[in-house]
Amino acid sequence: GAGVSQSPSNKVTEKGKDVELRCDPISGHTALYWYRQSLGQGLEFLIYFQGNSAPDKSGLPSDRFSAERTGGSVSTLTIQRTQQEDSAVYLCASSIGGAQYFGPGTRLLVL
Amino acid sequence: AQSVTQLDSQVPVFEEAPVELRCNYSSSVSVYLFWYVQYPNQGLQLLLKYLSGSTLVKGINGFEAEFNKSQTSFHLRKPSVHISDTAEYFCAVIIQGAQKLVFGQGTRLTINP
Repeated sequence: GAGVSQSPSNKVTEKGKDVELRCDPISGHTALYWYRQSLGQGLEFLIYFQGNSAPDKSGLPSDRFSAERTGGSVSTLTIQRTQQEDSAVYLCASSIGGAQYFGPGTRLLVL
Repeated sequence: AQSVTQLDSQVPVFEEAPVELRCNYSSSVSVYLFWYVQYPNQGLQLLLKYLSGSTLVKGINGFEAEFNKSQTSFHLRKPSVHISDTAEYFCAVIIQGAQKLVFGQGTRLTINP
């Protein structure tokens, strides 16, 4: 079946611009997660959505980062006023109890 | 807070040799344990998971791992590796009651012919 999909696969932006990253989870999965993978910090948790509950935003590194999940399915991660240190691969995962299944990621480069 | 330590950043082995990738965790409460593999320019693929039950867990591609509670370890093993196993491997935990994965720093497995 279809896995987690993310778009775009690559994004190059200029410092100070806003970017939006999209995640389509596996159909029927109630939980959705965003992680960031960078050379210096490894894999870090950003935010978690479960059904209609308030999201766990404890991993967001600054108030420039936000995410929403519409209709319990698609999620968008928004980074405002991007900085060079935001350059990383942003990974989305979904689950329905137990293991998390990851998408291919969006590689973000901030120039 | 819980943490995950992968003791080797790089492991080179010859094709058809056995391999063990080591993972230790620290947590004062029960955990769920996972191994993921990442091939170049791809996302993370689940290899295997331990949630409960038998401490020996079998996964995809011939990998297995053993949960050792007394040593707080979850080492990954394969009896005979192939060139196609060249990738980065991540150990991760979720503490019971929480949801986020906490990852180790990864081990790069290189298979030499």
